[in-house]
Amino acid sequence: SQQGEEDPQALSIQEGENATMNCSYKTSINNLQWYRQNSGRGLVHLILIRSNEREKHSGRLRVTLDTSKKSSSLLITASRAADTASYFCATGDRGSTLGRLYFGRGTQLTVWP
Amino acid sequence: DAGVTQSPTHLIKTRGQQVTLRCSPKSGHDTVSWYQQALGQGPQFIFQYYEEEERQRGNFPDRFSGHQFPNYSSELNVNALLLGDSALYLCASSLANLQGSQRSPLHFGNGTRLTVT
Repeated sequence: SQQGEEDPQALSIQEGENATMNCSYKTSINNLQWYRQNSGRGLVHLILIRSNEREKHSGRLRVTLDTSKKSSSLLITASRAADTASYFCATGDRGSTLGRLYFGRGTQLTVWP
Repeated sequence: DAGVTQSPTHLIKTRGQQVTLRCSPKSGHDTVSWYQQALGQGPQFIFQYYEEEERQRGNFPDRFSGHQFPNYSSELNVNALLLGDSALYLCASSLANLQGSQRSPLHFGNGTRLTVT
């Protein structure tokens, strides 16, 4: 299975602190994406990093990708209570053209005021 | 600009029954994917529709079928429901390029919560 796995499964921090989540996957990929899901609702795309990129920034988000280790990390700086959600990494098949994504089980982030 | 809309939001069915879930993609999108998310798990890919055809399929039995209409909207049908089919069913749309590759990230609807009793 190509399914990614996030680590840790749960993370609890105070507002203002940074949150780091990790993702590992098993096979070659075209890209890796991070999504966020508020309780019981749809997923929201946060950031996409391609296999030939090593780091990408978007606002308070920083994503790194190490294809040699088949791992990625998502850093949220200066966290806010509104960042409380589940965060999923998703990988796309290297050979797939239509964007089938494989999701991990997610990291549940809780940010306390 | 309407995002992805799904209906109904909640549904309760009995084992053995059949269910149809509906999805309208984000305006301008032409590809629809369906995912099943069990409680505490990540979404699992069911299948994807592009140009009214099923293009890719995940590890789901034939009880799961779908359709895409000329206006790009889509339906997911599940026959002979099992208790294990209880889950949040998510529809996601995207835009494909001329070669059929995913050109945009997935935009998800808020899902249909299906409970099978």
